[in-house]
Amino acid sequence: DAGITQSPRHKVTETGTPVTLRCHQTENHRYMYWYRQDPGHGLRLIHYSYGVKDTDKGEVSDGYSVSRSKTEDFLLTLESATSSQTSVYFCASQGQGGLGANVLTFGAGSRLTVL
Amino acid sequence: AQTVTQSQPEMSVQEAETVTLSCTYDTSESDYYLFWYKQPPSRQMILVIRQEAYKQQNATENRFSVNFQKAAKSFSLKISDSQLGDAAMYFCAYSQGGSEKLVFGKGTKLTVNP
Repeated sequence: DAGITQSPRHKVTETGTPVTLRCHQTENHRYMYWYRQDPGHGLRLIHYSYGVKDTDKGEVSDGYSVSRSKTEDFLLTLESATSSQTSVYFCASQGQGGLGANVLTFGAGSRLTVL
Repeated sequence: AQTVTQSQPEMSVQEAETVTLSCTYDTSESDYYLFWYKQPPSRQMILVIRQEAYKQQNATENRFSVNFQKAAKSFSLKISDSQLGDAAMYFCAYSQGGSEKLVFGKGTKLTVNP
């Protein structure tokens, strides 16, 4: 399995505070993703990256920003957290082509609670 | 935009029996991939099976198999000889060839009764 770790795994914060979630992968995968999971919605794509400093928006990007300064790290930032951003956040990565084409490997998830 | 629909929010099956989870998708593309992911209570997302749209043959992985009906845009997952460890949320997902982004359905919660 790809080595992909998320930190923190759990966080409780207050409305209006900034929050950064970190994703670190050791497989030298080009593509990385941030999803959020909410009951009744499945997983929805927030932002993704197709290389260092190359990122793009997903379907639920409002209120979130990302950065990727190194291949192995993909950061998700909530500039001013709101209660609607209470969710479980998953990072995923993907290599390019071959038998692993289009197969995502996921981190263990980060549960964020915004009070 | 592509969409993935799982019409069964919850399903249950008796241990050792067979269950089929439904998934339909909407796309105008011809090159794409379909997936089933399993999410047990640990929350870890685990790839169960992957199907390439250009392949006629249905993918199988041990007790897991799919019924891929391309014309009907249907991609159901069959679990044979169900085990207690199969209890989980199951997500169907779609990825357009060359896109690498996955679009997920809302999931089906599978309960396995002893």
